[in-house]
Amino acid sequence: QVQLQESGPGLVKPSQTLSLTCTVSGGSISSGGYYWSWIRQHPGKGLEWIGYIYYSGSTYYNPSLKSRVTISVDTSKNQFSLKLSSVTAADTAVYYCARRERGGTEPFDPWGQGTLVTVSS
Amino acid sequence: SYVLTQPPSVSVAPGKTARITCGGNNIGSKSVHWYQQKPGQAPVLVIYYDSDRPSGIPERFSGSNSGNTATLTISRVEAGDEADYYCQVWDSSSDHPVVFGGGTKLTVL
Repeated sequence: QVQLQESGPGLVKPSQTLSLTCTVSGGSISSGGYYWSWIRQHPGKGLEWIGYIYYSGSTYYNPSLKSRVTISVDTSKNQFSLKLSSVTAADTAVYYCARRERGGTEPFDPWGQGTLVTVSS
Repeated sequence: SYVLTQPPSVSVAPGKTARITCGGNNIGSKSVHWYQQKPGQAPVLVIYYDSDRPSGIPERFSGSNSGNTATLTISRVEAGDEADYYCQVWDSSSDHPVVFGGGTKLTVL
């Protein structure tokens, strides 16, 4: 079955850019039919959707983060990535990647294990 | 934007039935998904489209959705069901279409 794995630095300095990658195994991003998403969870808090990308490169972002977020896809590596610029301590969170089937109201399934990113000098 | 309201906590004795609610304006007209998140782990889908169960999820987990409330019901609760539970909907009329509830901590007494 499809598995997702996040990777990237666990510590980012304020004002810098957070960069994470999600590697997909057990399925091909380029086969289509799915949106590839990023979701984060602040410590002890709920879930916040960041955005998602289709294999073609089309993206959809959370309006509250849109000015700072870029999601990209590399089908040759079967990976998709998140960049969040101008980070502050408020961006400290566990970042998850997840898949959702292309359609109107599909759920997120499966999810990666998550990676904690701390913003601190 | 659309808001989903969950109780912060629900407690239940082992073997009893737990009901976790998710309130939203006319939520019965939307499809609701439920995720279970155990400490230190990623969320796992337990109910989708109001009442469908993914493969591998016990039949003890069920869901319903009507009016302004969706409900996740866990029958014959076990200690291993202790977790945070989140509801989620799509608000297609919004530029912020993905909406999560605030989460409910299920404590097994």
